[in-house]
Amino acid sequence: AQKVTQAQTEISVVEKEDVTLDCVYETRDTTYYLFWYKQPPSGELVFLIRRNSFDEQNEISGRYSWNFQKSTSSFNFTITASQVVDSAVYFCALSEWRNTGKLIFGQGTTLQVKP
Amino acid sequence: DVKVTQSSRYLVKRTGEKVFLECVQDMDHENMFWYRQDPGLGLRLIYFSYDVKMKEKGDIPEGYSVSREKKERFSLILESASTNQTSMYLCASSSLRLAGGENYNEQFFGPGTRLTVL
Repeated sequence: AQKVTQAQTEISVVEKEDVTLDCVYETRDTTYYLFWYKQPPSGELVFLIRRNSFDEQNEISGRYSWNFQKSTSSFNFTITASQVVDSAVYFCALSEWRNTGKLIFGQGTTLQVKP
Repeated sequence: DVKVTQSSRYLVKRTGEKVFLECVQDMDHENMFWYRQDPGLGLRLIYFSYDVKMKEKGDIPEGYSVSREKKERFSLILESASTNQTSMYLCASSSLRLAGGENYNEQFFGPGTRLTVL
């Protein structure tokens, strides 16, 4: 069965600290996609990144970076020099390769960045 | 930009009422989804549809039904609302079209409807 686990329910940091959000997944597929979404207080989920299982290169986008390791089935998300605007719920998700379009979401991690 | 809209941001209904939640997307997407979001449980898939008049049960379909008469519109129906259906409901859509040889399955979300059943 496919599953995504975000063990950290809530994280609280002070502005400018670095923070890593963990994501561990389970799948029997050899080909799959992984996603991160951000849900700010307004409620709408915003797409952050997509990674396919063939590409284990780490990715950096501004203050955001993602570490994908197939060996440990993890896809962790790091925010460098956090800001108050980063406060949100973050979801990791796994896509079935079969063309159903379904995503399996983790439980979400609530990040609070204090000034 | 893709836009997914939901008919209400907040809704209050009484137990036993029939409730309709509407979702419309403007990007000609084939796939549409309904999720509910509860604290500590993440997003759970209720139903999805990959074509007009087609529907598939998700992980928690009990107590819900759906309707997709037009490609852009996907409705979630609570036949007889109960208090345990108080939740945030999120609609999403995605395309089946390949881009660069890959099907990305990226979903675009609406702003959500917070439903309270009294």
